[in-house]
Amino acid sequence: QVQLQQSDPRLVKPTQTLSLTCVISGDSVSSSYVSWNWIRQSPSRGLEWLGKTFYRSKWYTEYAVFVQSRMTINTDTSKNQLSLQLNSVTPEDTAIYYCARLRGLGIVDLWGQGTLVTVSS
Amino acid sequence: DIVMTQSPLSLPVTPGEPASISCRSSQSLLHSNGYNYCLNWYLQKPGQSPQLLIYLASTRASGVPDRFSGGGSGTDFTLKISRVEAEDVGVYYCMQSLVSPYTFGQGTKVEIK
Repeated sequence: QVQLQQSDPRLVKPTQTLSLTCVISGDSVSSSYVSWNWIRQSPSRGLEWLGKTFYRSKWYTEYAVFVQSRMTINTDTSKNQLSLQLNSVTPEDTAIYYCARLRGLGIVDLWGQGTLVTVSS
Repeated sequence: DIVMTQSPLSLPVTPGEPASISCRSSQSLLHSNGYNYCLNWYLQKPGQSPQLLIYLASTRASGVPDRFSGGGSGTDFTLKISRVEAEDVGVYYCMQSLVSPYTFGQGTKVEIK
């Protein structure tokens, strides 16, 4: 059974860097058949796709335009996990952040439990 | 970006009665294979992550009751519940995964009358 286990809630101050992890069990972060995505949800902006990473003989990453200058997705194959780093956060980055698996023809079939991130001084 | 528009945004339902949610995309979601539509439906229950109900517009995910069905083509898609049960309450989302950035509808809140 595949599971995505995310890190605990975070309280981050404005201008600081947010770091989140997603530990994968039952699948491989370097699988050539899936991509690993970050999605966030807030009352004001709804569900927003942030970016993805995937391995096809080498690593690829792709980011949504509105975060690409501030966001980095990394993987750690030894821990079978992916991570998100978001720089220069503002209160507008307050949201629940999800990691999610995409397989086949765009099937996002598995979500982590989510991490609540609050950006406040 | 592909814009996803759902309607209605709120749907009071009576148990045992049918329900239907519409999702419209700003461009066709037909995959380059000419056969599949890259449209997923999710249900998010309170305090939980979204759970996959329907993928490729009309295929039920594993374990999803057969009272849920998805249909549509091009830019117009529908999720139908043949007979609503109390456990079906929550917010339903459509999502396009044809091209990134993947985008979601605003959500339809289904509640029992």
